[in-house]
Amino acid sequence: EDKVVQSPLSLVVHEGDTVTLNCSYEVTNFRSLLWYKQEKKAPTFLFMLTSSGIEKKSGRLSSILDKKELFSILNITATQTGDSAVYLCAVGAGNTPLVFGKGTRLSVIA
Amino acid sequence: DVKVTQSSRYLVKRTGEKVFLECVQDMDHENMFWYRQDPGLGLRLIYFSYDVKMKEKGDIPEGYSVSREKKERFSLILESASTNQTSMYLCASRRQGAYGYTFGSGTRLTVV
Repeated sequence: EDKVVQSPLSLVVHEGDTVTLNCSYEVTNFRSLLWYKQEKKAPTFLFMLTSSGIEKKSGRLSSILDKKELFSILNITATQTGDSAVYLCAVGAGNTPLVFGKGTRLSVIA
Repeated sequence: DVKVTQSSRYLVKRTGEKVFLECVQDMDHENMFWYRQDPGLGLRLIYFSYDVKMKEKGDIPEGYSVSREKKERFSLILESASTNQTSMYLCASRRQGAYGYTFGSGTRLTVV
């Protein structure tokens, strides 16, 4: 059975801290790993990773994939209160629905 | 701006009612999905559709059905609502062959 595990499940940090969110997976026929940010409503797309070792970066957020060890990390530097959200990791395998982890709830306090 | 629209943001229904949750996308996407999201359980797949009039069961289809009569619209039906179906329901779509979804804003359903 395909599985995606995120850790930690929740995290509280202070503004300015750097955080690392983890996502490990066991999926047959892996094709891609995606990160989404969910605030109060629709999850919004952050990154899609398909190749090992290539960092994707957007402002203070970055992510990298390790296909040998079957995990990805999402880094957020200099956190702000606006980064407070649930971060979802999902894996795509062939032409099948994405398999989601349970998410990491990040709370950034001023 | 491309989008997925869910007809209701909040909904309160009584036990035993038949409930329709509507989802419409304007991106001409072939694939559409219904998930429910519960604290501690994450997103769980209810039903999905790869094209018009096609439907496939997801991981938790019991108590639900779907309809896809037109490409842009995917409806989730709760045949007889129960309190354990109180949840956030998320609709998503994607182009055939792609991986990433575009999500709707969600419908928070409360069954009393």
